[in-house]
Amino acid sequence: EVLLAESGGGLVQPGGSLRLSCAASEFTVSSNYMSWVRQAPGKGLEWVSVIYSGGSTFYADSVKGRFTISRDNSKNTLYLQMNSLRAEDTAVYYCARDRYGDSTFDYWGQGTLVTVSS
Amino acid sequence: DIQMTQSPSSLSASVGDRVTITCRASQSISNYLNWYQQKPGKAPNLLIYAASSLQSGVPSRFSGSGSETDFTLTISSLQPEDFATYYCQQSAGTPYTFGQGTKLEIK
Repeated sequence: EVLLAESGGGLVQPGGSLRLSCAASEFTVSSNYMSWVRQAPGKGLEWVSVIYSGGSTFYADSVKGRFTISRDNSKNTLYLQMNSLRAEDTAVYYCARDRYGDSTFDYWGQGTLVTVSS
Repeated sequence: DIQMTQSPSSLSASVGDRVTITCRASQSISNYLNWYQQKPGKAPNLLIYAASSLQSGVPSRFSGSGSETDFTLTISSLQPEDFATYYCQQSAGTPYTFGQGTKLEIK
């Protein structure tokens, strides 16, 4: 069974950093497009970033220059390095697998909560 | 960026009702449109991809239609487990924008 498990969320002060992890089971992260999607409390879904199987990366304007998506093939794990965090980055962060490289998210993790507050 | 607008934002309906949710794109996206269902405290679940294709395991009472800029999600006969929030998402290009959501509540 395909599984995605996020970790690394927590409380961080404005301007701080956090790294999220997403461990995958029963498929190979590096062979798929993988995205991060976030959801602020009580709000809708916002796509954050994608890494293609070839290694290209793209970001939402709201996080460009502050967040970095990456993967570790040996650990079959996706990451999101978040720097210069702001209050508006507070959200549940989900990792999601792209179905066939068509930007359709067929598997999602359970999410990890990031709270940016002093 | 492509803006996605859903309507209505909320909807009250009864078990057995037929329900339609619409999604409009700010520019043509062909059939690059997906629908997700989300229940409180849970991750979204893919229902429909490529505007009208039913994801494996999703009940056949869910259907999607449309192309270019106008799309619909239809639930033919509401079941108790269908009360949730529904999102459309365009997959035509980055950023992969979502609609604001439609909350389907029990009347």
